[in-house]
Amino acid sequence: AQSVTQPDIHITVSEGASLELRCNYSYGATPYLFWYVQSPGQGLQLLLKYFSGDTLVQGIKGFEAEFKRSQSSFNLRKPSVHWSDAAEYFCAVAPGRSGAGSYQLTFGKGTKLSVIP
Amino acid sequence: NAGVTQTPKFRILKIGQSMTLQCAQDMNHNYMYWYRQDPGMGLKLIYYSVGAGITDKGEVPNGYNVSRSTTEDFPLRLELAAPSQTSVYFCASTRTGDTEAFFGQGTRLTVV
Repeated sequence: AQSVTQPDIHITVSEGASLELRCNYSYGATPYLFWYVQSPGQGLQLLLKYFSGDTLVQGIKGFEAEFKRSQSSFNLRKPSVHWSDAAEYFCAVAPGRSGAGSYQLTFGKGTKLSVIP
Repeated sequence: NAGVTQTPKFRILKIGQSMTLQCAQDMNHNYMYWYRQDPGMGLKLIYYSVGAGITDKGEVPNGYNVSRSTTEDFPLRLELAAPSQTSVYFCASTRTGDTEAFFGQGTRLTVV
């Protein structure tokens, strides 16, 4: 069974500082990889996704993530954090093949980001 | 476009009561999903559907039922509410099995 580990439950950074949120996955093959953001009381918004190809993917709001197969990791980064980035971030994986039910996401437990003005 | 719409946004149930959480999407997506989110946890898949008339269990289906009579709607039924079903429920849809998921705003359910 696939699993996702986000080792940091809560991270606090100063506005303007750089950010890296960690994500490790366990799966037999290369899955599809995603980062979602959830603001308080809101649904989830897709930041970026990796299916194949270039291992450095760009997303919305200035975020990027790098897929490292050797480390089974898909860490999320942003060079300069804004106060509006304060939210909870979820890493997720899907089986990575087409077909019925292939988009069954397995989520990590999330990392809550706080931003100090 | 409205995207994925969930109703109600909040609900309090007494133990043993039943209710249906509604989910509708207007994007003509074939795949629809129900997740629950518990505090400090990621989302867990309850049920999913790959098209009208086809549903299947996810990771945590016990205590829930679903139906998919139309492409647009995917209601989630709780027959005998239990405190363990207190959670935030999210509905999502995708056009195919490997495209972006769109999520609803969630339904916060409390069972007392």
